[in-house]
Amino acid sequence: AQKITQTQPGMFVQEKEAVTLVCTYDTSDPSYGLFWYKQPSSGEMIFLIYQGSYDQQNATEGRYSLNFQKARKSANLVISASQLGDSAMYFCAMREGRDNYGQNFVFGPGTRLSVLP
Amino acid sequence: SQTIHQWPATLVQPVGSPLSLECTVEGTSNPNLYWYRQAAGRGLQLLFYSVGIGQISSEVPQNLSASRPQDRQFILSSKKLLLSDSGFYLCAWSSPRSRVGTEAFFGQGTRLTVV
Repeated sequence: AQKITQTQPGMFVQEKEAVTLVCTYDTSDPSYGLFWYKQPSSGEMIFLIYQGSYDQQNATEGRYSLNFQKARKSANLVISASQLGDSAMYFCAMREGRDNYGQNFVFGPGTRLSVLP
Repeated sequence: SQTIHQWPATLVQPVGSPLSLECTVEGTSNPNLYWYRQAAGRGLQLLFYSVGIGQISSEVPQNLSASRPQDRQFILSSKKLLLSDSGFYLCAWSSPRSRVGTEAFFGQGTRLTVV
């Protein structure tokens, strides 16, 4: 069963507007971590933000925030004030508590975000 | 600070030729190391991971192998490349004190085209 689902293969957003990238996950482990990565056309994966399953507050990092809805198993990435440089592929990923070595660092299929001028 | 180097950036190889991709990490000791493959327009597939020198775990049986001859060096190899080996290969590392909140850090990637 797929553990990470990203239902938006591609999205467009106008520059300076906010955008939400959707991620849902599936796990039976009470301890897990959720990550978002950005992959620009150059190919490297850039870590953006992390949310732990026991964290009480939604994570924020600059213009990035994570809308964590535990009961819905949802971890959406919100980018505020989009910039042209935000155009990239975005991947949601998860690590479970039972994962001792990162071998089960599971990635979703990604969402391609295009920011329009 | 920690850095990860991966080379070459691009590679075009004929079918049946050998492959060697190298990845090194600086600024940390005993990292967990990973090789991922990303097919065009798709997510990441974990190929191998290593928690120490000489310790390699394979996630997907295929035409590739990995080795870790030194603490911070991870090599992806093949004796004979197949067309299906084409893709984007990413090396990554994470802290040895691995917990759910431990992110993975990625190299620049190698775009391999088998012709």
